[in-house]
Amino acid sequence: DAGVIQSPRHEVTEMGQEVTLRCKPISGHDYLFWYRQTMMRGLELLIYFNNNVPIDDSGMPEDRFSAKMPNASFSTLKIQPSEPRDSAVYFCASSPRLAGETQYFGPGTRLLVL
Amino acid sequence: GQQVMQIPQYQHVQEGEDFTTYCNSSTTLSNIQWYKQRPGGHPVFLIQLVKSGEVKKQKRLTFQFGEAKKNSSLHITATQTTDVGTYFCAGVSTSGTYKYIFGTGTRLKVLA
Repeated sequence: DAGVIQSPRHEVTEMGQEVTLRCKPISGHDYLFWYRQTMMRGLELLIYFNNNVPIDDSGMPEDRFSAKMPNASFSTLKIQPSEPRDSAVYFCASSPRLAGETQYFGPGTRLLVL
Repeated sequence: GQQVMQIPQYQHVQEGEDFTTYCNSSTTLSNIQWYKQRPGGHPVFLIQLVKSGEVKKQKRLTFQFGEAKKNSSLHITATQTTDVGTYFCAGVSTSGTYKYIFGTGTRLKVLA
């Protein structure tokens, strides 16, 4: 298995632009998580899906952030408009079950908003 | 809300010395997981603890879950340069939203 796949691996954009991050979870995993990692705030859970349905989005910072999972093999995290404070590493992770199972992390997308 | 703190935040050790990181939750946990993240990498699962007072070992690593299920520790014996990275605990509370909350992490540097 290829593991969790994320694209792009690096993204540099200007303030105000729309940014779309993509994730392909491990086949057969029912849960998908989006995390954001910064030095100041550590690893934060933004949102998670179960069987393509968003379950908890309480970690989404504000309305500029949105996430979708149109099918079991694809999810997007969109930031519109982007701001410099959104600069971070964004990880996608998948898990067969919510608890009692490992979360498998993707390599992450390093986002820099100028 | 639920908080999971780790101490120390940073630790520098000489190769061969032991290392311990502590994880403390503001709420009782149903289980706890430990992850390692190498510099520039992504978190990688190490182990999961479920039972109160549980102790598990992986070679030089020893993991412990507290009796009250509110704290945990990771101990590395005789550190090696390959142990460099940030160690995170992640716990699921027994109340509230059923999701993992990651600790603040302990960054370990091993000096050869």
